[in-house]
Amino acid sequence: AQSVAQPEDQVNVAEGNPLTVKCTYSVSGNPYLFWYVQYPNRGLQFLLKYITGDNLVKGSYGFEAEFNKSQTSFHLKKPSALVSDSALYFCAVRDGGGYSTLTFGKGTMLLVSP
Amino acid sequence: GAVVSQHPSRVICKSGTSVKIECRSLDFQATTMFWYRQFPKQSLMLMATSNEGSKATYEQGVEKDKFLINHASLTLSTLTVTSAHPEDSSFYICSAIEQSYGYTFGSGTRLTVV
Repeated sequence: AQSVAQPEDQVNVAEGNPLTVKCTYSVSGNPYLFWYVQYPNRGLQFLLKYITGDNLVKGSYGFEAEFNKSQTSFHLKKPSALVSDSALYFCAVRDGGGYSTLTFGKGTMLLVSP
Repeated sequence: GAVVSQHPSRVICKSGTSVKIECRSLDFQATTMFWYRQFPKQSLMLMATSNEGSKATYEQGVEKDKFLINHASLTLSTLTVTSAHPEDSSFYICSAIEQSYGYTFGSGTRLTVV
């Protein structure tokens, strides 16, 4: 079985400061990892993914994430937060070894204060 | 490319009636679509996997007769909530896999049963 843990329900950061949203995963095969953002009453928007290759993945809106195999983590980061980054962020994983569905973490609300 | 259109975005229905939600892949063919349910401030829970031309695969605990899924073409999957009750009120999101873009999500449907 595959699973995702997002240990923080909410992350608060001041505008201009760096932000980190944490994610750890468990999967039996090679992990395919994703980050999505959700604004109120909207679907999910893709931010970035790790399939293979460079451990540091750069995505949309200045976000990046680092795949750490030994720590089974895929934390989302941004060097300088914007108020408009305030939203709900989901980490997701699927087993790359075969057909499987995406499993989502419970989500982390990011609040960026002016 | 890789746009999934979900309709309606909001629907209010009376208890005991049925509601149909449509999910369309606009610029690609989707042999597989997924239906998720999201409760307030919670993660997405996979309800079922919709396969074109065959029966949907439901996750454990999801009532097949309550949530009817039809995937009659390569661009359209529908979810019908039958005999809706207030506890069926939720946010429903569909998703499809596009070969180049990966998982793409619809904008969601807010269902309120009164």
